[in-house]
Amino acid sequence: NAGVMQNPRHLVRRRGQEARLRCSPMKGHSHVYWYRQLPEEGLKFMVYLQKENIIDESGMPKERFSAEFPKEGPSILRIQQVVRGDSAAYFCASSPTQDRFYEQYFGPGTRLTVT
Amino acid sequence: GNSVTQMEGPVTLSEEAFLTINCTYTATGYPSLFWYVQYPGEGLQLLLKATKADDKGSNKGFEATYRKETTSFHLEKGSVQVSDSAVYFCALKDNAGNMLTFGGGTRLMVKP
Repeated sequence: NAGVMQNPRHLVRRRGQEARLRCSPMKGHSHVYWYRQLPEEGLKFMVYLQKENIIDESGMPKERFSAEFPKEGPSILRIQQVVRGDSAAYFCASSPTQDRFYEQYFGPGTRLTVT
Repeated sequence: GNSVTQMEGPVTLSEEAFLTINCTYTATGYPSLFWYVQYPGEGLQLLLKATKADDKGSNKGFEATYRKETTSFHLEKGSVQVSDSAVYFCALKDNAGNMLTFGGGTRLMVKP
């Protein structure tokens, strides 16, 4: 039973490039959450998605960031025109239902470095 | 808004020592409280949870009691092992939102 998969595990981008982070939830899970962890800080919620729907994006920066969870394939967190301040670890979590939100199974994270 | 404050690490202990990691929170109403653990190179795993005041969550020898009067959820273990070395995150969820609010994490290092 594979866990939550994230790729790439490490991503290096130059300022101004685009970063695409992928998350494949656990089998049978249709709820995906993205969190960001800045250096020396805790995880901060970014966005909550179900298949083909964004449910809550209250933690997403207003510009350059977008997320999707298509009917087929992984969830994608996209950061356009990256800046140094985007350097962080990005974690994806999935849960089977909204009621069981606390059963959020986390992936190993993608560590983004912007040079 | 909601917030969670944890003691700063790293916490370094010898094997079989007693562990306490402090966690306090600020939230409206009656949030649910959680401890997650992150082992090196892995994602976070739910360690234990408590959903109402005076509940005690427990798992793998770890315990935490939901204290409404002191807004705390301190993590304890009577005898730590080297394999407990990890980063521990305290978190809460209120009844209204969809997200977990995390503390900054506390790194625990247990030496043989």
